[in-house]
Amino acid sequence: AQSVTQPDIHITVSEGASLELRCNYSYGATPYLFWYVQSPGQGLQLLLKYFSGDTLVQGIKGFEAEFKRSQSSFNLRKPSVHWSDAAEYFCAVGEAPLVFGKGTRLSVIA
Amino acid sequence: EAGVAQSPRYKIIEKRQSVAFWCNPISGHATLYWYQQILGQGPKLLIQFQNNGVVDDSQLPKDRFSAERLKGVDSTLKIQPAKLEDSAVYLCASSLVAGVGETQYFGPGTRLLVL
Repeated sequence: AQSVTQPDIHITVSEGASLELRCNYSYGATPYLFWYVQSPGQGLQLLLKYFSGDTLVQGIKGFEAEFKRSQSSFNLRKPSVHWSDAAEYFCAVGEAPLVFGKGTRLSVIA
Repeated sequence: EAGVAQSPRYKIIEKRQSVAFWCNPISGHATLYWYQQILGQGPKLLIQFQNNGVVDDSQLPKDRFSAERLKGVDSTLKIQPAKLEDSAVYLCASSLVAGVGETQYFGPGTRLLVL
């Protein structure tokens, strides 16, 4: 069965610092992978997705993610975090249904 | 383009009461999803519709939850009777089609508190 693990429940970074959010998946074939962001009181917004091809995927808001098949990982990165990036981030894998991780809450400090 | 609309945004009820949530997907989107997001968890799919037919309701607690999408557009999700463990955010999402990896667009959710 497919599953997603986000090892970090909560991460705090300073504004302007780099960010990496970890995601590991379990899937039987080439996975379809997604990163969503959820701001307080809001629904989920798609940041980026990977289906095939180039393993480095660019998304919105300056985010990127790298698919590493050997490590079953799809980590999300941003070179310089802004205060507005504070939110909950969800990694998801799947065909149907989409399976989400438990999320990582990002706090940004001045 | 208007996004996915949901109402109400918040609801507080007593256990054993009934409650209904409404969702209007993005215009033209054939596929509609209802998710339950319990505090500290990722969203979990409850039911998926393709037009007005059910594609997947394997995780819907059918003894108390029901959902319909009569005209293939908007949808309602009902809980009757509610239990304390139903306290969660109920998210509606839609996608253009039901294809593998198709992008799902989420509404703001309905936050339910059962006392």
